[in-house]
Amino acid sequence: QVQLVESGGGVVQPGRSLRLSCATSGFTFSYYPMHWVRQAPGKGLEWVAFISSDGNSKYYADSVKGRFTLSKDNSKNALYLQMNSLRAEDTAVYYCARDRRVDHYDTLDMWGQGTMVIVSS
Amino acid sequence: DIQMTQSPSSLSASVGDRVTITCQASQDISNSLNWYQQKPGKAPKVLIYGASNLQTGVPSRFSGGGSGTDFTFTISSLQPEDIATYYCQHYDNLLRVTFGPGTKVDIK
Repeated sequence: QVQLVESGGGVVQPGRSLRLSCATSGFTFSYYPMHWVRQAPGKGLEWVAFISSDGNSKYYADSVKGRFTLSKDNSKNALYLQMNSLRAEDTAVYYCARDRRVDHYDTLDMWGQGTMVIVSS
Repeated sequence: DIQMTQSPSSLSASVGDRVTITCQASQDISNSLNWYQQKPGKAPKVLIYGASNLQTGVPSRFSGGGSGTDFTFTISSLQPEDIATYYCQHYDNLLRVTFGPGTKVDIK
């Protein structure tokens, strides 16, 4: 079955870096674009970043542009989010999600369980 | 940038009630609009895609409609297991995503 498992979260000081990973299985990872979505405690969903299936196209939310970098290793079926210059407002649960096109509509159809990032001194 | 709004922000209804949530886009988005359900402590789950198409395996009491700037999400007969927060979500032609602020649904 399709599985997405995030890891790498934790407590980090402001200004420091963290790298999140999303290990996938049960589907042909190289065929699918992927997203990261985050959710601050008690808040709604915020899209963070997108990467195309081949990894050549990437887009970021304005709130993380220039600080976060998304990469995709199709040989390892893994997605990564390098987060630099972290701020308190980056504190959130981070989800990786698969983008699937059905009938020419795109959805985030499979999600991981999330990994918590806390930015605090 | 396209902004998404939802109303109400929260609602309480009785089991069996019909519940409707609205989502409005700041400009015409055709039908590139999905609806998600998120239960506490869980990841979101897609229920409706393309504004009105039911995701495989989702109960038929859930439905969606609308196009352009105004969309609706309906639960025809609210069940206890439907307690959750519901989000509309738009994606543009580059697959950049925008979520609405969410609507929390409780049982009265």
